[in-house]
Amino acid sequence: GENVEQHPSTLSVQEGDSAVIKCTYSDSASNYFPWYKQELGKRPQLIIDIRSNVGEKKDQRIAVTLNKTAKHFSLHITETQPEDSAVYYCAATSYGNQFYFGTGTSLTVIP
Amino acid sequence: NAGVMQNPRHLVRRRGQEARLRCSPMKGHSHVYWYRQLPEEGLKFMVYLQKENIIDESGMPKERFSAEFPKEGPSILRIQQVVRGDSAAYFCASSPTIQGVGGNTIYFGEGSWLTVV
Repeated sequence: GENVEQHPSTLSVQEGDSAVIKCTYSDSASNYFPWYKQELGKRPQLIIDIRSNVGEKKDQRIAVTLNKTAKHFSLHITETQPEDSAVYYCAATSYGNQFYFGTGTSLTVIP
Repeated sequence: NAGVMQNPRHLVRRRGQEARLRCSPMKGHSHVYWYRQLPEEGLKFMVYLQKENIIDESGMPKERFSAEFPKEGPSILRIQQVVRGDSAAYFCASSPTIQGVGGNTIYFGEGSWLTVV
């Protein structure tokens, strides 16, 4: 099955700086890569996703890049704000399969 | 359009009792996933179901745990003879169809927090 690795496990940045979280996957058949944000005590919520036919996608301060050859994808958050503090999970999946999640990155934005 | 509904939100059970967690998927969704999240840990896949069929149960412990998604009614995750190590948040997620067809993703419910005392 698929194996998703996520780094770093914890990340602290100053407010206004950028944050980057990286994930790698093992199954070349994976073709969909969503990112979820989970605040303490709450459910994971989809924040952005990317499909294998696209190399980059951006939504305001959030962007995701995908390198299919290297089998890695990254989440970029620019101009970070305290409300960006949360645990972020990457995931990978392919047709008919379960979603394989990374181990999560705890992001702290320091005011 | 209501989201994924889980109940109970919080459940306390004594060791040896049974826990039943329910999940009603979003309207129009026919696929359900269950994930377990231990304190301070990530999301661990348990089982993936469609109505009346288990698609992937590779993450389910071999004993005491079972899941179903009947033709009518919610999906149920059942834990028999609970132990303290079962204390966790159990998240359900749903999708409209098999992932990849039409480009669908999964949406999570609010979770059910099980405490075993």
